Amino acid sequence: GAGVSQTPSNKVTEKGKYVELRCDPISGHTALYWYRQSLGQGPEFLIYFQGTGAADDSGLPNDRFFAVRPEGSVSTLKIQRTERGDSAVYLCASSLTQGGGEQFFGPGTRLTVL
Amino acid sequence: GESVGLHLPTLSVQEGDNSIINCAYSNSASDYFIWYKQESGKGPQFIIDIRSNMDKRQGQRVTVLLNKTVKHLSLQIAATQPGDSAVYFCAETFGTSYGKLTFGQGTILTVHP
Repeated sequence: GAGVSQTPSNKVTEKGKYVELRCDPISGHTALYWYRQSLGQGPEFLIYFQGTGAADDSGLPNDRFFAVRPEGSVSTLKIQRTERGDSAVYLCASSLTQGGGEQFFGPGTRLTVL
Repeated sequence: GESVGLHLPTLSVQEGDNSIINCAYSNSASDYFIWYKQESGKGPQFIIDIRSNMDKRQGQRVTVLLNKTVKHLSLQIAATQPGDSAVYFCAETFGTSYGKLTFGQGTILTVHP
């Protein structure tokens, strides 16, 4: 079956612009997670959803970052007024349930802010 | 493509050798640990997990050891193969934060034929 998919695979934008990154989880997975991975580091937690609601958004670095999951399936990570420091690979994962279930990761979106 | 982990610890082994990758975790309250493998250009892939009520768990060619006293986790790979070459991360989580994984620094494993 299909795994987690993320679009676009690469995004280049200019400082100050707005970007949206999309995640399609595995069908039937109720939990969805966003992580950010900078070069040479492990993924860093941003936010996770259980169904449509954000169960934990403690990893969002500031109010320029926002994520939604309106129908409990596809999620969009939105970044306003992008900064060069936002450049990273943004990873999405999903799991069947929240609570220790295996998280299946997508390939990520590489964001470059010029 | 660019090299992931320019500043990560590295382990270089010959095909067929056993590999041991170590990880020091940070939170003494963590009670669930996972090892992930990440190949270039891909997301992390689950390898094996262990809960804090265990000190050892075995999978196919892999074994995870947990030492809670010193907050140390290790991944042993038997008969390492070139396809095992990747970056390996440990991750931890606890209690009500099971959805929020905290990843370690990562180790680059290179297997030479």
